[in-house]
Amino acid sequence: GAVVSQHPSWVICKSGTSVKIECRSLDFQATTMFWYRQFPKQSLMLMATSNEGSKATYEQGVEKDKFLINHASLTLSTLTVTSAHPEDSSFYICSAMLRVQSDTQYFGPGTRLTVL
Amino acid sequence: GENVEQHPSTLSVQEGDSAVIKCTYSDSASNYFPWYKQELGKRPQLIIDIRSNVGEKKDQRIAVTLNKTAKHFSLHITETQPEDSAVYFCAATSGYALNFGKGTSLLVTP
Repeated sequence: GAVVSQHPSWVICKSGTSVKIECRSLDFQATTMFWYRQFPKQSLMLMATSNEGSKATYEQGVEKDKFLINHASLTLSTLTVTSAHPEDSSFYICSAMLRVQSDTQYFGPGTRLTVL
Repeated sequence: GENVEQHPSTLSVQEGDSAVIKCTYSDSASNYFPWYKQELGKRPQLIIDIRSNVGEKKDQRIAVTLNKTAKHFSLHITETQPEDSAVYFCAATSGYALNFGKGTSLLVTP
């Protein structure tokens, strides 16, 4: 149990275009999902916390107008990278909590974004 | 906010030896400390975790120790095998978002 999927697994896009990444909890309801970004050979950096039915909470330095997060249901959160640029190229990983304050997070397989 | 320091950044051991990775944290409110293993291009996999009411936890070849007073916790891998080679991340949280260390690249040579 506790499986999290992400789609797509990789995407290549042109500079200036927008890309949407989906994160789904397949066998449980996730009131809270997290979005991380990981550059090569670096750690996971939290971008934002996504709560079902409310606005996402962004970490300092993350532009909320550039990284749009929508958590419309208990099993789906989406991250849209708007007007992508080469510096946005990274590995984007989501995670979901089984229930509020349960501590354990289950990670999706990640999405490799390359912006040309 | 929470700051998690992890050492060493790289670790090379011979197969069969033990490996130890250490982390310190700054927020005394943190009460959950997971360890993740990440292979290249893949998702982090939870390998063991410990909560603040426990000082040590073991799962076969893997163990984690926690010293809340000193605010540090460590991962111990015994009888290492080449398939243990990966990047290991520690993390700390007070019940919400995870704060990760910078990672340790472990290489186990046959």
